[in-house]
This record gives sequence, C-alpha cells and structure tokens, in this order.
Amino acid sequence: EDQVTQSPEALRLQEGESSSLNCSYTVSGLRGLFWYRQDPGKGPEFLFTLYSAGEEKEKERLKATLTKKESFLHITAPKPEDSATYLCAVQGSKDSGGGADGLTFGKGTHLIIQP
Amino acid sequence: NAGVMQNPRHLVRRRGQEARLRCSPMKGHSHVYWYRQLPEEGLKFMVYLQKENIIDESGMPKERFSAEFPKEGPSILRIQQVVRGDSAAYFCASSPSGQPKEFFGPGTRLTVL
Repeated sequence: EDQVTQSPEALRLQEGESSSLNCSYTVSGLRGLFWYRQDPGKGPEFLFTLYSAGEEKEKERLKATLTKKESFLHITAPKPEDSATYLCAVQGSKDSGGGADGLTFGKGTHLIIQP
Repeated sequence: NAGVMQNPRHLVRRRGQEARLRCSPMKGHSHVYWYRQLPEEGLKFMVYLQKENIIDESGMPKERFSAEFPKEGPSILRIQQVVRGDSAAYFCASSPSGQPKEFFGPGTRLTVL
C-alpha cells in the first residue's frame, strides 16, 4: 500500500525566511510525485509533478526536488501570499502491485508566512 | 476554458437522506476522479471513471456509495442513507487521457445533521 508522510504538520515563518517542506513516501513503482497548494475552502491547485530521482522543478519562489524516498519543497524568500496548505501525493504503478489509479495524499503542511 | 465545476458547493442532509454530488470535468477531459477529505485527514481516493465506465473503485466504501459518468452530462457521486460520518469535503478531479496530472474542482462540502 502506498504511503505518504509530510512534515512538519505546521510551519510558521517570517516573510523572507526560506525553509523546506518534507514528503517521505513508500510506493511500489513510482509513476509520479505531485505537489499541490490548497487554500482554505478550495480545491488543490497543481504545482509540480516529478517522475524520477534527481529531478528538480521550479516555479517562482518554489522548487521541488525528488529522491528515491522523499521529496522536498523549498520555499525561497516567501511572501504572505504563499500561506497555504501544501500537499504531496504519489501515484504508484499498478503493474508492480501498487495502489489504485488515483493519488495517495499526505495530510499536508500548513504554512503561515507572517509579514 | 472553464475549470472543473462541482455543484452544489455546500449540501446539508439529515441522516438517512440521499446526497447527490455533481462534477463537470474540464473541456476535453474524459477521466474523472473522486476524492474525500475528512476533517484533519488527507485526501482519500474513492473512484476513477471514464465515460460510461468505472475503471477503479478500490477506494469506494462497499455500501451506500456509487458513482457514474454517463455519456452525456456530469459525473455523479451518490451517497444513500447518509450518516454523520459522511460529513466531509468531496473533490472531483479531471484529467486528459493518459496523463496522471489531475485538475481539481472547488469541492462539495457535505454536512449530515
């Protein structure tokens, strides 16, 4: 069974204070690792997909990296508008006895950026 | 190009009633996924459908829950005889054929009294 654990559960930073969010995963045959942002009362908003260890992707102040066991979401010089819950999810390979066609999500990291 | 649409956005039902949640995928998307988000829990996969077919329902509770995606019209998630434990946010996501990335709708928040 695919599993995703995110840490920390909550993180409070000052504006401009860089940090990283962790996503540890267990999956039978990784088809993709996904990062989403979710604002209160809204659906998840897609950020990145990573497919293989060593891959990195960037978007504005965010950078996602991937190893064989975990992914990091690095936030550089964050602004208050970056405050949200960040979700990590994996999709395993059904051919290797993995999970369902849908994504397996972690519980998220609730990020607050104080001005 | 409108995003994934869900309605209603909020739904209140009494125990024992039926709840019907609707999802219209993005234009050109033929794959629909339903997820449930319980308070303080992560999103949980429920079911994956293509037009007129259920592809994977491994996350769906065995009783009271059903889903369909007809040839015409939105996908429907139906919950019969709702109980308080069904109170949650239900999200629909759509995807173009063959791509794992999913675009999520705004969700339907179901409250069972």
